[in-house]
Formats: sequence, structure tokens, C-alpha cells
Amino acid sequence: NAGVTQTPKFRILKIGQSMTLQCTQDMNHNYMYWYRQDPGMGLKLIYYSVGAGITDKGEVPNGYNVSRSTTEDFPLRLELAAPSQTSVYFCASSPGGNEQFFGPGTRLTVL
Amino acid sequence: AQSVTQLGSHVSVSEGALVLLRCNYSSSVPPYLFWYVQYPNQGLQLLLKYTTGATLVKGINGFEAEFKKSETSFHLTKPSAHMSDAAEYFCAVSGKGGGSQGNLIFGKGTKLSVKP
Repeated sequence: NAGVTQTPKFRILKIGQSMTLQCTQDMNHNYMYWYRQDPGMGLKLIYYSVGAGITDKGEVPNGYNVSRSTTEDFPLRLELAAPSQTSVYFCASSPGGNEQFFGPGTRLTVL
Repeated sequence: AQSVTQLGSHVSVSEGALVLLRCNYSSSVPPYLFWYVQYPNQGLQLLLKYTTGATLVKGINGFEAEFKKSETSFHLTKPSAHMSDAAEYFCAVSGKGGGSQGNLIFGKGTKLSVKP
């Protein structure tokens, strides 16, 4: 099993551009999550999903959108990128909503 | 609402010394508790977790943590630090239910340095 995979690993965006961060898991987990990590701030939950077709906002959803059309995939969409979205983004999945398995992260810079 | 406080954003120990990373939580109901480790430029890896049962929990790489309900604490310890333990450590709490109750709330992290 590859676990949780994320693409791309790194990306530089210009202000106002948009992009999609990809996340795929092969563990057949129902729960999936997107976090952002900023230095000294821990991880903040952006969006989560408890199953295909179901998504909900986390603590910091503004400026982001998600979809969950399949169990495996949970892409995160950034529209109109802003410097405040410069961060490291982690995707995670869970079989039961508690213990989570993390991907390697995507480092995004918005200039 | 649940919250997690990790005392000390940086901890430095000598190789072979005791590692103690502190975590206190706030929760209106008995929570699930976790410690994750993050090595440079990597994702988070689960070290150990407390759900129910024995309050002293053993994890990977020789780490252990004790759930103390009266102190609302879940401190992480390791008797003898290795150079390879240098990383950032995150304490997290969640509720016991499904849906949003199962979401993890993370502390801000403690960066552990190990001196030779």
C-alpha cells in the first residue's frame, strides 16, 4: 500500500492564480482531511469528509474548496491564491475518524 | 471546546538523557489522546495513542505516555534520547464519536533537539 499520496510536492503560485492539490489514499478509509501547517502554529483543519459525496468545513476553510467524488480522492482547490495561503498542506485519512494517517505534504508559496 | 497546550516550543536534551515533552488538554468529556512525530520535510507519523484501558501507553521508538485524568495531562517520555529522536512532536486530542467529534485538535508542537 502506498498509503496517502499528495501531489505536487512543491508549488509556487502568483497572487490570483488557482490550483488544485491532489490527495489519494489506497486504504479504503472513509474519513479524509486537509490541514495547513504554519510555523509555530501546529496543524489547522481546513476541510474534512466522512465519506464520498460528504464534505464539511473545518477551522480555516476560507479561500478553499473541496470535493469527494470517490472514496480514494480528496482534492483541495485554491481559488484566487493569496500570500496568506503560503503554507505546508497535509492530507490525512482515517478508518474511523480518530487515528489519522498523513501524506508527505505539499509546500505552497504564493508570491 | 477541546484544546491542547504543549509547554515549551523547543526542548533540548543531551544524548542518553531523559526526554519529557509536556501536553495538557481541555475537554468536557474523556478524550482520545495522541502523540505524533514529524521529521524534517516529512508528514506526521503516529507515535502512540490513548483510547481506553491502561493509562500508560507504549509507542514506537521507545516512547511512552501516561494519561492522567486528574491533571488533564498526557506527557510523552523516553528514558534515553538518541540523536535520531530530533524532530517536532505534536500532541492531539479528539472526541470519541464519529463525524466532527473524531476530528483531531493539535497542539502547536515541541521541537526536540538532541545534543551529542
